[in-house]
Amino acid sequence: QVQLVESGGGLVKPGGSLTLSCVASGLSLSESYVSWIRQTSTKGLEWVAYISESGNGNEIYYADPVKGRFTISRDDRHNSVSLQMTSLRAEDSAVYYCARGVGFYDWGQGTPVTVSS
Amino acid sequence: DVVMTQTPLSLSVSPGQPASISCKSSESLFYTDGKTYLYWFLKRPGQSPQLLISEADKRVPGVPGRFTGTGGGHYFTLTISAVEPGDSGVYYCMQGIDLYTFGQGTRLEI
Repeated sequence: QVQLVESGGGLVKPGGSLTLSCVASGLSLSESYVSWIRQTSTKGLEWVAYISESGNGNEIYYADPVKGRFTISRDDRHNSVSLQMTSLRAEDSAVYYCARGVGFYDWGQGTPVTVSS
Repeated sequence: DVVMTQTPLSLSVSPGQPASISCKSSESLFYTDGKTYLYWFLKRPGQSPQLLISEADKRVPGVPGRFTGTGGGHYFTLTISAVEPGDSGVYYCMQGIDLYTFGQGTRLEI
């Protein structure tokens, strides 16, 4: 059974940094596209970033609002994908989910991020 | 950027009645590999989003048969043949042909 578990969310001040982690069990994440998606009550669901399979060159793409501030990476040894978030803004506050596959077939339970002074 | 527009934004339906949500994309979601990169998700309160339909009309294993995805090109529809109380939540369409964009969401109240 595939399970994705996010961690690392919390309260951070504007301009601060946070690193989210998505750990998988029941499958090898290195063989999967992995995306980060965030959800707010005002904007709904918003795709943030993705990384392709390790065998596909680990192609990486970001949504425009986070380009230059967020970095997605994978750690195949720990079967995980991380999202490093820097220069955080109030509008980055959301529940962050990781999802597996081109079509987001499996999702984690989400980790909340609040950016506030 | 591909813009996804859903209608209606909210819907109230009695149990056992049908419900239909439309999704329009600003660009064709039909790709040269023969696939149509349109997905439907359900976000229930307190739960993670759940993929219902992939590639416009492919029901995900485990999703009840009352959920049907139709359409192609720019226009798509999610139909629930007879809604049940557990179908409440926010439904999103999403394009996957040019990175990813979600629609605004349609709140379904049963």
